[in-house]
Amino acid sequence: QKEVEQNSGPLSVPEGAIASLNCTYSDRGSQSFFWYRQYSGKSPELIMFIYSNGDKEDGRFTAQLNKASQYVSLLIRDSQPSDSATYLCAVSPQGNEKLTFGTGTRLTIIP
Amino acid sequence: AAGVIQSPRHLIKEKRETATLKCYPIPRHDTVYWYQQGPGQDPQFLISFYEKMQSDKGSIPDRFSAQQFSDYHSELNMSSLELGDSALYFCASSYYSNEQFFGPGTRLTVL
Repeated sequence: QKEVEQNSGPLSVPEGAIASLNCTYSDRGSQSFFWYRQYSGKSPELIMFIYSNGDKEDGRFTAQLNKASQYVSLLIRDSQPSDSATYLCAVSPQGNEKLTFGTGTRLTIIP
Repeated sequence: AAGVIQSPRHLIKEKRETATLKCYPIPRHDTVYWYQQGPGQDPQFLISFYEKMQSDKGSIPDRFSAQQFSDYHSELNMSSLELGDSALYFCASSYYSNEQFFGPGTRLTVL
């Protein structure tokens, strides 16, 4: 079992709808949680990070963390075709430490 | 804003050759991480440096070595290259927190 699990998709969402991406992790000691967006052949781009239980909103993006359930999610509101990419969930024990990535969810926004 | 710089962007080598990848972190960032991403895979952590000292080591082959210099740039040295070393190699940097920002990557092809 991978330390960080994601549904590989592909996940297809109509333009303007809400895209919901999910991630579970196995290490209960994990403290830092990140969502990266990666276009094909490009580098991962940090779009959200969350450290505390609950919701964190930034523009069209909302990250949700539930440490008791070892679950982190990303919601993308008003999805745009430019949101089509692979979304990587990454987890770290605490500050300044390596990231463990999930295999990523491929998201396609349908115009 | 300044980003992480990696060079070269593309590198083609023959089996058993050596390669050196360079990374220049975002100014004032004190921690550098190296990741390897094979085709269709998630990024895998190789090694990290904090204030020029190795801080963590992941699944880095013994054929690989790395260091961080006094100006905080880092180099990943790869010897006795194998076909399986063909991948994207990313460098990321961070300062104080664990929000890692990735460079554009070096695409290594071993023939």
